[in-house]
Amino acid sequence: QKEVEQDPGPLSVPEGAIVSLNCTYSNSAFQYFMWYRQYSRKGPELLMYTYSSGNKEDGRFTAQVDKSSKYISLFIRDSQPSDSATYLCAMPSGGTSYGKLTFGQGTILTVHP
Amino acid sequence: EAGVAQSPRYKIIEKRQSVAFWCNPISGHATLYWYQQILGQGPKLLIQFQNNGVVDDSQLPKDRFSAERLKGVDSTLKIQPAKLEDSAVYLCASSFVLGTGGTDTQYFGPGTRLTVL
Repeated sequence: QKEVEQDPGPLSVPEGAIVSLNCTYSNSAFQYFMWYRQYSRKGPELLMYTYSSGNKEDGRFTAQVDKSSKYISLFIRDSQPSDSATYLCAMPSGGTSYGKLTFGQGTILTVHP
Repeated sequence: EAGVAQSPRYKIIEKRQSVAFWCNPISGHATLYWYQQILGQGPKLLIQFQNNGVVDDSQLPKDRFSAERLKGVDSTLKIQPAKLEDSAVYLCASSFVLGTGGTDTQYFGPGTRLTVL
């Protein structure tokens, strides 16, 4: 069993739709949770990170963590064609906020006009 | 602020050949990571440096892969000899300091896309 599981999609939605991206994890030591966005032929860039269970909002993006279920989500409101990318969940090892990241396999998102 | 630089961007080699990748991290970043990203998968850590010392190389195939970070700045990753399954994007990332508290953001370079024929 992989430590982090993520539905690879691909996911195709119309502009303006609400998008839900999800990951599950098996390692209880994970305490910090990150979402990276990776455009085609680019390196990943940090989008959001959360620590505690609950929601964290940043503009059109909301990250949600449920530690009891080992389940994290990223919601994108009013999706735009510029949001088309691969979204990767990631968790630092050993319960820290830094160091080696364990990534999900990524969800490919396409937002069409 | 300049980002993480990597070269070459693309490389095509035949199996059993050797190849080397270069990374220049963001100025002042003490920690440097090399990740391997196979098509359709998330990045997987190969090696982590703190300054010029190795912190974690547990997933580095040491029979064929080697990496060094001289003077705690630039780093090179080498594969010798390459296998077909080494075809992947090799990503370099850097972060400011390990263990400063808060979140230690990793900044990624654009990667080197390796094709082994």
